[in-house]
This record gives sequence, structure tokens and C-alpha cells, in this order.
Amino acid sequence: GNSVTQMEGPVTLSEEAFLTINCTYTATGYPSLFWYVQYPGEGLQLLLKATKADDKGSNKGFEATYRKETTSFHLEKGSVQVSDSAVYFCALSDNTGFQKLVFGTGTRLLVSP
Amino acid sequence: DGGITQSPKYLFRKEGQNVTLSCEQNLNHDAMYWYRQDPGQGLRLIYYSQIVNDFQKGDIAEGYSVSREKKESFPLTVTSAQKNPTAFYLCASSTIAGNTDTQYFGPGTRLTVL
Repeated sequence: GNSVTQMEGPVTLSEEAFLTINCTYTATGYPSLFWYVQYPGEGLQLLLKATKADDKGSNKGFEATYRKETTSFHLEKGSVQVSDSAVYFCALSDNTGFQKLVFGTGTRLLVSP
Repeated sequence: DGGITQSPKYLFRKEGQNVTLSCEQNLNHDAMYWYRQDPGQGLRLIYYSQIVNDFQKGDIAEGYSVSREKKESFPLTVTSAQKNPTAFYLCASSTIAGNTDTQYFGPGTRLTVL
């Protein structure tokens, strides 16, 4: 079946450091890929998405590129801020015509001043 | 403002009691979903509904029930048959145009069974 694997956390960085959170997936066909962010005590918010190979999703300084050859969708940001501290979830939606999301286990990011 | 509301934010119940979690959306979305989140784990799908008066089981439906009598409402009942109900429950909604659409999430309800 479809699955998403994320790097274990927490990821601890100082403000203005470069961020990479790895995400790889297993799926048949051509899934859509998503990054969601969850701030403490809240629901999830869509951060960015990509719907086909080589697409780059971007938002709020975060970027991720849909790499079909490596089945990856790694999240990057050039300079993190304390306010970026949250849990980040990678997810995929299969190609059945109805959106059923499969989530990774989440990666906690902690940014210190 | 359009969005999804879940109530209450915190809920405490005694073991053996059924409890119903509320989810309301004013986004005019056809599809709605319930997820369960446990510490250190991703979200797992409990039930979903594509249209009023119709719903399907997700990956972990045992011990849960839902109804979809109105487009904007999708309540979840956690029954006494659910063996480990303490968790964070998230409701979401989306259009049903296809697998590229965004799911919008509510703020969640944290259920603790004592």
C-alpha cells in the first residue's frame, strides 16, 4: 500500500540556520504530495503541495520539489525563525480520484534564538 | 470567516461512556473527514464522507460511528467499544474535484477517557 516515511525528530536548529526535513514515499501511479504544519495545540495547516513530477511547491520561504526518480519530497527553508517551531507532516494523496491522505509520522522542529 | 469549528477543545469522559465530537464547516465543501492523532504518530483516517447521507470507513473505524445528515456537519461518536479512545481528534473538509485538492483542518478536540 501507499506509505510516507519522514526523518525522526526533533530537529533542533538555531535561528537563521538552513532546514531540511526528508520525506520519501511509496505509491503506485502518480500521487499528489503535501506538507502540512501543526503548531502546538492546533490543527494542521497546508504549507505547500505539488501535484506532478518536478513541480516545486513553495510558501512562506519553504520549498519542496516532487522528485519521482527518488520518490522524495524533502522540505527546505534557507533561514528558519523561532516562529517556525512546529511539527511538520509529509503526506500523499493517491490517484483514485478521491482525496484520501496518507501521512508520515511528523517531524518536530525546534528553533532557538 | 470561512472555516471548520470543532467543539469542545478538551473533553473528559469516564470509561464506558459514549461521547460525540462536533465538527461544523462553512466552506461549502462536499467531503469531510475524521482523523485520530496519537503522540509521535501521524494522522490515521477514521471515517470520511463525500456527500450527505453517505460515509465510508477509514483505516481505524472500529469503535467509532458517524452521521452526515447535513452538508456542513459531520459528528463523530466514540463508543465504549473503542479500546483506547484517549487521543487528539481532527476533522477536515475538502472539495471532491480530485486528489490534488487541499484538506482544511479544524483546531481539534483532545479527548481524555478517565
